[in-house]
Order: sequence, then C-alpha cells, then structure tokens
Amino acid sequence: DSGVTQTPKHLITATGQRVTLRCSPRSGDLSVYWYQQSLDQGLQFLIQYYNGEERAKGNILERFSAQQFPDLHSELNLSSLELGDSALYFCASSPGPDLVYGYTFGSGTRLTVV
Amino acid sequence: GQNIDQPTEMTATEGAIVQINCTYQTSGFNGLFWYQQHAGEAPTFLSYNVLDGLEEKGRFSSFLSRSKGYSYLLLKELQMKDSASYLCAVEAGNNRKLIWGLGTSLAVNP
Repeated sequence: DSGVTQTPKHLITATGQRVTLRCSPRSGDLSVYWYQQSLDQGLQFLIQYYNGEERAKGNILERFSAQQFPDLHSELNLSSLELGDSALYFCASSPGPDLVYGYTFGSGTRLTVV
Repeated sequence: GQNIDQPTEMTATEGAIVQINCTYQTSGFNGLFWYQQHAGEAPTFLSYNVLDGLEEKGRFSSFLSRSKGYSYLLLKELQMKDSASYLCAVEAGNNRKLIWGLGTSLAVNP
C-alpha cells in the first residue's frame, strides 16, 4: 500500500457520460498530480494541485477538470466521454510543490468507455 | 521539442545482467527518474539522478551523463519478478514537470 488511495478501481461507462475519479494523497503530502496512461501514449501528465491551488497544467482536455479540496483529496472529472478516453488514470502525491525524490503513485482507476 | 527514447522491449535470462538505455532531449534538465511498473499496477520509484555518474542501490544501478543526454538502468542478478516495464522520466524546465518515456518492457525468462 503506497498510501495514495484512488477510487474506484474500475469504471465502465458509456460514451457521452460523465465520471468522477477520486484521490486521497499520502498523509502529509500537499501536492496531487493526475496522469492518464494508455498503451500508445504512455504516461501523460494532466494537472497538478498544491495545497488546494492549481500549480501546473499538462495535456488536459477541456472536457476534463479537477480540483483539490481543503482536506487535500482531489477529484478528476471527465465529461462527454469518448472511446479514446479509455485508459488507466493515476493519481500521485508528493510532499511539496516541486519534485525532489519523485511521486508516490496510487494504484489507479481503469476507465473503460463503451 | 521534448523527447525521451527508450527501447520498446528487451528480453533477458534469470540471473543475468541487463542494461536499459534512455536518451533525452529536453528544454532544461533538473533530474532523471527511473520507475518500475508491473502490468496494470502503479509505477514505483527506483532511482533519481541529478549529477553525472553511477548511483548503486542493491541489484539496481542508474547512470547519468548530462552532456550526452543519456542514462541507463542496470539490473543485476535478474529475477523473474523483475519482468516489468521500466520508465525513464526527465524533470525539465522551470516548472519542473516530468516528461515520461514510453517505457521498456523487460521479460525475464527462466
């Protein structure tokens, strides 16, 4: 157990729908990162939050949004889902705003859009 | 542009040594990470190199040459459980984002 908790582990939904993925960072970590991993694209950085504020943005689609709450858990919202959104979505956390010794990843949410 | 290259697949024999290479071209460089990822699982941290040279950690070692934009991960005394994907990632730029390679899938055969 890495200490980073992601729910749900698996999600199957239809095209056009909206889903919410949840992440609780490791105790004491203030930064949360969201990643998408598909077979052909590898790990793609989506967005980072630090202590409730958006800190960095990667290749996140406009249909996707995220936030970090006062208790530091984070949610990634995916809307108007397309078949191509099927992927593993990882959350990772780190103590501070910048990387020093890497992230701790959660076990991921496998999203299947049918 | 930003680019990280790793071999797609490698095969090795149990008990042997394997070297996984990573070359990178990025805007700025702050450090290089190696992660291990078993199929369907989360990546786990292996090593972090900032300065040139070899960092040894048990059966795993990581080497960095900043001038050549090159790193390798060396795995010794291979075990079956080392069968996994190995991801190279570079921390680059003022915003210190991680740029990930696509990973090298290593198969360890008996």
